[in-house]
Amino acid sequence: DAKTTQPPSMDCAEGRAANLPCNHSTISGNEYVYWYRQIHSQGPQYIIHGLKNNETNEMASLIITEDRKSSTLILPHATLRDTAVYYCIAPLSGNTPLVFGKGTRLSVIA
Amino acid sequence: GAVVSQHPSRVICKSGTSVKIECRSLDFQATTMFWYRQFPKQSLMLMATSNEGSKATYEQGVEKDKFLINHASLTLSTLTVTSAHPEDSSFYICSAREFRGLYEQYFGPGTRLTVT
Repeated sequence: DAKTTQPPSMDCAEGRAANLPCNHSTISGNEYVYWYRQIHSQGPQYIIHGLKNNETNEMASLIITEDRKSSTLILPHATLRDTAVYYCIAPLSGNTPLVFGKGTRLSVIA
Repeated sequence: GAVVSQHPSRVICKSGTSVKIECRSLDFQATTMFWYRQFPKQSLMLMATSNEGSKATYEQGVEKDKFLINHASLTLSTLTVTSAHPEDSSFYICSAREFRGLYEQYFGPGTRLTVT
């Protein structure tokens, strides 16, 4: 897997956008970037994935830099229920299992 | 989205006994399933990969005789913790993979094992 680097923790005010950065400077041309989150005592939840283009779904937006060395997950209007650990993962290939780093602990504050 | 279930959600067992955890893909067939373990305040650690009908592949440091994995069908994998000890107490999470033009991994809700 490409090594990913995320800040250990972030705070975000409720209702504001949460922007979670991820550095993956060693990513190769065909490695996707996946984002999952884990709410306390639950299994990880898939959020979004992308290769080159920016992606958006009902949960979040993913912005990938042109050189693909970093990406940002955007939760447009964070709620208290978005408090979780967010993981950015770049598996070596589509066939390898997801390996989790330490992630970013996002705290959404009222 | 695809749903993965686990049973039981939590279990308490005595030291020396064995515990079986089931993982099911509810609305898709999973040729490959994964088992992870998570200790408090730590990230998920991959334990093993299991392919339907074949032996599981264990990550380095994971004892295959202690953590028995069976993947007998495309929708069911089981993890049996044999001769459990208090240090095996952990949060066990299974994951199932589906191919939708790209491999996508979905996770179960986890099983909290406490060994007394």
